[in-house]
Amino acid sequence: GENVEQHPSTLSVQEGDSAVIKCTYSDSASNYFPWYKQELGKRPQLIIDIRSNVGEKKDQRIAVTLNKTAKHFSLHITETQPEDSAVYFCAASRGSARQLTFGSGTQLTVLP
Amino acid sequence: NAGVTQTPKFQVLKTGQSMTLQCAQDMNHEYMSWYRQDPGMGLRLIHYSVGAGITDQGEVPNGYNVSRSTTEDFPLRLLSAAPSQTSVYFCASSLAGGHQETQYFGPGTRLLVL
Repeated sequence: GENVEQHPSTLSVQEGDSAVIKCTYSDSASNYFPWYKQELGKRPQLIIDIRSNVGEKKDQRIAVTLNKTAKHFSLHITETQPEDSAVYFCAASRGSARQLTFGSGTQLTVLP
Repeated sequence: NAGVTQTPKFQVLKTGQSMTLQCAQDMNHEYMSWYRQDPGMGLRLIHYSVGAGITDQGEVPNGYNVSRSTTEDFPLRLLSAAPSQTSVYFCASSLAGGHQETQYFGPGTRLLVL
């Protein structure tokens, strides 16, 4: 089955700096890669996703890049703010979100 | 729309007890899934359903049963609870096919098995 590895497990940045979280996946048939943000005690919420026919996608301060050849994808957050502090999860799926395989999460802390 | 709802929010069980975690959605989503989340780990898929009457196993199905008699509801049953099932359980739903694959998660059920 699919295996998704996520790094780093914790990340601290100064407010205004950029943050990058990286994930690798094992199944070359995976073609859908969402990123979720989870605040303490809350449910995961989708922040951005990308399909394998696209190399990069951007939404305001958040961007995701995908390298199909190397089987890795990354989340980029620019101009970080304290409210960006949360756990971020990457995931991979073979074409349908019903079988998401998640990474182990990154605790992002934005220091004021 | 209420979205995805789960009950109860919190439950304490003794080893060997049974219970059902409820999940409902009012978005007419075909796909529904159950995940568990353990500390320091991502979510792991337990069971999923692509429509009423159809269910399948995910990554960690042992100790859990599901059924899908209606589009709206997808209950998760623990027949004989074990301490290893202490976790936070999330239900999720999504539309079928195409590019409308966003999974919407419920608020979660925190389960403690003593």
